[in-house]
Amino acid sequence: NAGVIQTPRHKVTGKGQEATLWCEPISGHSAVFWYRQTIVQGLEFLTYFRNQAPIDDSGMPKERFSAQMPNQSHSTLKIQSTQPQDSAVYLCASSRGHERLFFGHGTKLSVL
Amino acid sequence: GDSVTQTEGLVTLTEGLPVMLNCTYQSTYSPFLFWYVQHLNEAPKLLLKSFTDNKRPEHQGFHATLHKSSSSFHLQKSSAQLSDSALYYCALSGEGSNAKLTFGKGTKLSVKS
Repeated sequence: NAGVIQTPRHKVTGKGQEATLWCEPISGHSAVFWYRQTIVQGLEFLTYFRNQAPIDDSGMPKERFSAQMPNQSHSTLKIQSTQPQDSAVYLCASSRGHERLFFGHGTKLSVL
Repeated sequence: GDSVTQTEGLVTLTEGLPVMLNCTYQSTYSPFLFWYVQHLNEAPKLLLKSFTDNKRPEHQGFHATLHKSSSSFHLQKSSAQLSDSALYYCALSGEGSNAKLTFGKGTKLSVKS
């Protein structure tokens, strides 16, 4: 079991460019979550899917952030027109439901 | 809305001294509470989860007691080890079928010899 896989590990973009982050959840897990991690705010919830359906996107900045889960083996988080304040570690996690979350190592996004 | 408060951003201890990291929460329902730990360059992972029957969860020498009267779930350990140095997050579960976790801002524990 390789755990939750996130790619790339590091991404550098220029201000105004688009960034797409990828997540492969653990096989058999029905729920996939996206969190943003910063020193100041800690772990902020963004969105989650259950059985590929979006359930709760209450943490997503509405204008430039979007997430999809086109099949059970991967999810993407897309940030359009990236801004310096988007710089953070983006963590993906999966679970069987109301059990422990298994996190990936994250994608460190740096917006110059 | 639901929230978790971890009052200390950084706790520095000498090896062998007791550890206590504070966690309080606000919720309109009775959530499960969790502690997650993240060591340097690693992914966060579950350390403890509260029980429904008021038993005290323990793992790797850490324990935490859910006090509903004070809305607290403080993390404790009797004797800190150098390897305990890490970032610790307290979290609460979503209501009903909502499986998301709401995390606090985290407490960095630094244990020195």
